[in-house]
Amino acid sequence: NAGVTQTPKFRVLKTGQSMTLLCAQDMNHEYMYWYRQDPGMGLRLIHYSVGEGTTAKGEVPDGYNVSRLKKQNFLLGLESAAPSQTSVYFCASRQGGGPNQPQHFGDGTRLSIL
Amino acid sequence: AQSVTQLGSHVSVSEGALVLLRCNYSSSVPPYLFWYVQYPNQGLQLLLKYTTGATLVKGINGFEAEFKKSETSFHLTKPSAHMSDAAEYFCAVSGGSNYKLTFGKGTLLTVNP
Repeated sequence: NAGVTQTPKFRVLKTGQSMTLLCAQDMNHEYMYWYRQDPGMGLRLIHYSVGEGTTAKGEVPDGYNVSRLKKQNFLLGLESAAPSQTSVYFCASRQGGGPNQPQHFGDGTRLSIL
Repeated sequence: AQSVTQLGSHVSVSEGALVLLRCNYSSSVPPYLFWYVQYPNQGLQLLLKYTTGATLVKGINGFEAEFKKSETSFHLTKPSAHMSDAAEYFCAVSGGSNYKLTFGKGTLLTVNP
């Protein structure tokens, strides 16, 4: 059981380049989330989805776009990368039901913008 | 609105000593609380979660947490630290619409031999 899989694991970009991070989950979860983790900041929510075809903004959405065309996949896009977007990005998913259902996390994508 | 405060960004203990990681929360709705652990270069792994009605919650790897509503706290403890416990620990609260998690800034636990 793979759980939540993120690709790529590492990437280095130049300022202004674009890229897409892929998150795939095999647990048939309804909810999916993208976070960024920066030293001393904890995890901050970028965007999330409550089901196939839906997306919504989180705490720090600027400079990012997302899509959820298939239930198992949640894509995070950077249209024009900036050095401030250097971070570790985590994807998570959870099943429906009450608020005590935990989120399950991938291993992260380490992204450096030069 | 909800928030989480983890007191102490870095805690250092000796192997075999008590581990105490502090978490205080603020929530306008009944809180649903979680502790996650992150080992180096890995994602977050669920340690335990608070379920309404139980004040003492047991998790994996010998950790437990006590929910104290009067103190708005959910501190994480382990009686005897092991070297393998060295990691970063995050407290999180879930509430409001779409069950979004709000994380604390994390506490890095170092275990000295």
